[in-house]
Amino acid sequence: AQSVTQPDIHITVSEGASLELRCNYSYGATPYLFWYVQSPGQGLQLLLKYFSGDTLVQGIKGFEAEFKRSQSSFNLRKPSVHWSDAAEYFCAVGARGTDKLIFGTGTRLQVFP
Amino acid sequence: NAGVTQTPKFQVLKTGQSMTLQCAQDMNHEYMSWYRQDPGMGLRLIHYSVGAGITDQGEVPNGYNVSRSTTEDFPLRLLSAAPSQTSVYFCASSYLLADLGEQFFGPGTRLTVL
Repeated sequence: AQSVTQPDIHITVSEGASLELRCNYSYGATPYLFWYVQSPGQGLQLLLKYFSGDTLVQGIKGFEAEFKRSQSSFNLRKPSVHWSDAAEYFCAVGARGTDKLIFGTGTRLQVFP
Repeated sequence: NAGVTQTPKFQVLKTGQSMTLQCAQDMNHEYMSWYRQDPGMGLRLIHYSVGAGITDQGEVPNGYNVSRSTTEDFPLRLLSAAPSQTSVYFCASSYLLADLGEQFFGPGTRLTVL
């Protein structure tokens, strides 16, 4: 069965600093991979997704993620964080051939001015 | 388009009471699902449906029932509420993942069971 690990529960960065949120997955083949963001009191919004092809994926709000098969990782990056990026970020994996989406436990991002 | 709508936004129940959380989408999506979100647990899949008349269990289905009589609606039923079901519930819909579907989430229902 597929699973997702987000090792960092809480990350704090200064505004303007770079950001990398880690995501590791467990799945026997190439999965579908997603990053979602949840602002306080809101539902989830898709940032980006990987299905196949180019392993560097561009998303909304200046985010990107890189799929590394050898490391079973799909880390989310942003070169310069804005205060409005403070939110909770979820990585998710979908198994090809099914329609289930499994989420990680999330990483809460705090941004200091 | 309204997207994915959920009602109610907040609900307080007593142990043993029953209720239905409503979810509707107007995007003609085949796939709909229910998640619960608990602190430190992320989102866990309760039930999902790949089309009208078809439902299946997710990770944490016990204590919940679903049905899918139309493409638009996917209600979640709690037959006998328990304090362990205190959570925030999210409904989501998409075209099937195999069709490169993005899941669209509703705003959530915050449920407290006393």
